[in-house]
Amino acid sequence: EVQLVVESGGGLVKPGESHRLSCAASGFTFSDAWMSWVRQPPGRGLEWVGRIKSKTDGGTADYAAPVRGRFTISRDDSKDTLYLQMNSLRTEDTAIYYCTTYKVTGGDYYYMDVWGKGTTVTVSS
Amino acid sequence: DIQMTQSPSSLSASVGDRVTITCRASQSISTYLNWYQQKPGKAPNLLIYATSTLQNGVTSRFSGSGSGTDFTLTISSLQPEDIATYYCQHSYRTPLTFGGGTKVEIK
Repeated sequence: EVQLVVESGGGLVKPGESHRLSCAASGFTFSDAWMSWVRQPPGRGLEWVGRIKSKTDGGTADYAAPVRGRFTISRDDSKDTLYLQMNSLRTEDTAIYYCTTYKVTGGDYYYMDVWGKGTTVTVSS
Repeated sequence: DIQMTQSPSSLSASVGDRVTITCRASQSISTYLNWYQQKPGKAPNLLIYATSTLQNGVTSRFSGSGSGTDFTLTISSLQPEDIATYYCQHSYRTPLTFGGGTKVEIK
């Protein structure tokens, strides 16, 4: 079965405001999956935002320094959906936001193998 | 945080050329290194994980090597469909970080 993740919720937001992105998963057992968010500012490279473990592995999340304390990753396994709650948004948060699976293989090698098409968040007054 | 530095930032090569991209970590990351390809206007695509393991469905034109702090991605014979930006990314520990990218163009 094809594994898919589809992001939604992007848009124009004012600095200081809050906004939430969603990521709908299909084709795999979402509740067993670790998931992450990666973003890409316009014309620039990739930046890891954060990752959440499966609930069976503790359900905890880790974040990159630029978003720690402002962004929160959560999951609703009953809806096969991942969320990114973004608070106190800044202009530098303007980016395409990608949802990805976060897989592990033998030897604790982690990688992001399923990516969505991304959703664009623009933070501007 | 572990910093990842790629070189060159861009390159131009002819079809059929062997292309090598390097990635250096600011500290040893063993072989916890992944490579992604991003074509213009598209989402990134995993090429190689754990330094040298080809993701399913990726052509064997791509190969990866290295350990510790120095890694390479090699395209054995550049093809037009390989035009893209390539990113390395370490998975040694969180926070994960990406290299700045290498844009590959056809001469």
